[in-house]
Amino acid sequence: AQRVTQPEKLLSVFKGAPVELKCNYSYSGSPELFWYVQYSRQRLQLLLRHISRESIKGFTADLNKGETSFHLKKPFAQEEDSAMYYCALSPDSWGKLQFGAGTQVVVTP
Amino acid sequence: NAGVTQTPKFRVLKTGQSMTLLCAQDMNHEYMYWYRQDPGMGLRLIHYSVGEGTTAKGEVPDGYNVSRLKKQNFLLGLESAAPSQTSVYFCASRQANSPLHFGNGTRLTVT
Repeated sequence: AQRVTQPEKLLSVFKGAPVELKCNYSYSGSPELFWYVQYSRQRLQLLLRHISRESIKGFTADLNKGETSFHLKKPFAQEEDSAMYYCALSPDSWGKLQFGAGTQVVVTP
Repeated sequence: NAGVTQTPKFRVLKTGQSMTLLCAQDMNHEYMYWYRQDPGMGLRLIHYSVGEGTTAKGEVPDGYNVSRLKKQNFLLGLESAAPSQTSVYFCASRQANSPLHFGNGTRLTVT
């Protein structure tokens, strides 16, 4: 069965510092990987998907199939990056996303 | 364009009571999903639908039922609420090969 692991429940960083959110997955095939973000009192929204290979709000994520990881990175954190971040895996075309437990990011000035 | 709308936003139930959560989307999406969000557990899939008139079980379906009588609506029912069903419930929809669009969530407390 597929599994998504986000080892950090809380990540506290200073404004301007780099931030990296770890995500590891287990799946025997070739999944689609996503990062979703939930700002305070807002709905979840897509931040990144690995097949698009684009940078959103300064965030990037690289799929490492050898290490089965999809870590999210940003070189300079901003206060508006404070949010809950979820890594998710889709094993098939039906979009049944398997979510990790989430990482709460707090960026302090 | 409202996107995905969930009603109600909040609800408090007593153990054993029943209720229905409504999810409506105006994007003509084929696929709809119900997730529950619990601290430390992320989002877990309850039920989903791949089209009007179809439903299927997700990861945690026990204690819930769903119906998709109309393409735009996906209802989640709790026949006999239990405290373990206290959670935040999210509905989502998507079209093929497109990202999920989420609703704002329903916060349910069962006492």
